[in-house]
Amino acid sequence: EAGVTQSPTHLIKTRGQQATLRCSPISGHTSVYWYQQALGLGLQFLLWYDEGEERNRGNFPPRFSGRQFPNYSSELNVNALELEDSALYLCASSLALGRGRQETQYFGPGTRLLVL
Amino acid sequence: GQSLEQPSEVTAVEGAIVQINCTYQTSGFYGLSWYQQHDGGAPTFLSYNALDGLEETGRFSSFLSRSDSYGYLLLQELQMKDSASYFCAVKSNYQLIWGAGTKLIIKP
Repeated sequence: EAGVTQSPTHLIKTRGQQATLRCSPISGHTSVYWYQQALGLGLQFLLWYDEGEERNRGNFPPRFSGRQFPNYSSELNVNALELEDSALYLCASSLALGRGRQETQYFGPGTRLLVL
Repeated sequence: GQSLEQPSEVTAVEGAIVQINCTYQTSGFYGLSWYQQHDGGAPTFLSYNALDGLEETGRFSSFLSRSDSYGYLLLQELQMKDSASYFCAVKSNYQLIWGAGTKLIIKP
């Protein structure tokens, strides 16, 4: 069974540009999560999508946005890129994160974004 | 606010036992998970505790005390390949809250 896939693996942009990152979850998973991980730091929660809806977002400005498609794949868009957006962006998927249940999150290999 | 506290770094010797602690303060608690992340890699799931007590999976064990809002990950017979960062994460209502991670350094 294929795991979570992300594309591209690396992305180089300049300040002010826009970046689009893509994620395909494990087959059967309906929830997709996006995290930012700056070099040497922990995971910062960005966004959670389930069944095509945004369920929760972390403490990030509105220029971080995304969507989930009918096939449950997802896209993260970062507008007006800033130097500090340089980080590893990880996508994870799980079965629906129902209240009272904790579903294991399976992570993709990440997209390393470098903003110059 | 909601927060998880874990040590930033722990050092141990190959073959030894190490414990990584995690204390949490969250509104709502459904379970505590542990993930491992090697440098340059993605986090991978290690264990999950929803009830008090010790869960054992091979060389790794995880403990939870809900009354103390505390848990730990215990790694036995340490191997060099265990050098990684370890994250605790709490399921709180509809979100997963992550600790900042503990870097485990293993010396030969």
